[in-house]
Amino acid sequence: EAQVTQNPRYLITVTGKKLTVTCSQNMNHEYMSWYRQDPGLGLRQIYYSMNVEVTDKGDVPEGYKVSRKEKRNFPLILESPSPNQTSLYFCASSSPEAGGPYEQYFGPGTRLTVT
Amino acid sequence: GENVEQHPSTLSVQEGDSAVIKCTYSDSASNYFPWYKQELGKRPQLIIDIRSNVGEKKDQRIAVTLNKTAKHFSLHITETQPEDSAVYFCAASGLDAGNMLTFGGGTRLMVKP
Repeated sequence: EAQVTQNPRYLITVTGKKLTVTCSQNMNHEYMSWYRQDPGLGLRQIYYSMNVEVTDKGDVPEGYKVSRKEKRNFPLILESPSPNQTSLYFCASSSPEAGGPYEQYFGPGTRLTVT
Repeated sequence: GENVEQHPSTLSVQEGDSAVIKCTYSDSASNYFPWYKQELGKRPQLIIDIRSNVGEKKDQRIAVTLNKTAKHFSLHITETQPEDSAVYFCAASGLDAGNMLTFGGGTRLMVKP
């Protein structure tokens, strides 16, 4: 089954304790992204990657890191989480087709609470 | 960068009525405009999209219109049903912008039976 998976699905942590949220896709997609979703603000892109070893900042990259060492995996790293990073996080993948479009396939989401 | 504004933030309609959600964008270079539906507790899913070389696209009860001159696009849902209740997001991107999608703030649509 074609899918994007994220782990963990729920996480409660404390300020400053490093954490990693994993994302994996089995569709051989070139593009992967991380979004955070906050009430009234919609989905805001944190980082995206157009291929292995190629990553770029999205709209809200501060406080986050990513890596793309393999095509299927795109982990999101919070080196020193703070309460303002409490949010619902989605990973997504897509593949460019000739002339577009790039449908984003979203993972199930990770609800992160930083106390 | 791109800025996408979406209105209204909430919309309540009676079953069978039509619903219209509007979005404006700021970057005239954007040329791809998808709409996503997110049901409660679930992930967003693409329901329809339009490219700038087309003014309107329809898929059964949903349609999207695009006015590139005015830089706005709209989602139209006809004959609404309770299962249409969800949060809808518009987005904009340049087809050459790789994976850079900018989303609107979302519209919570409630269809009352």
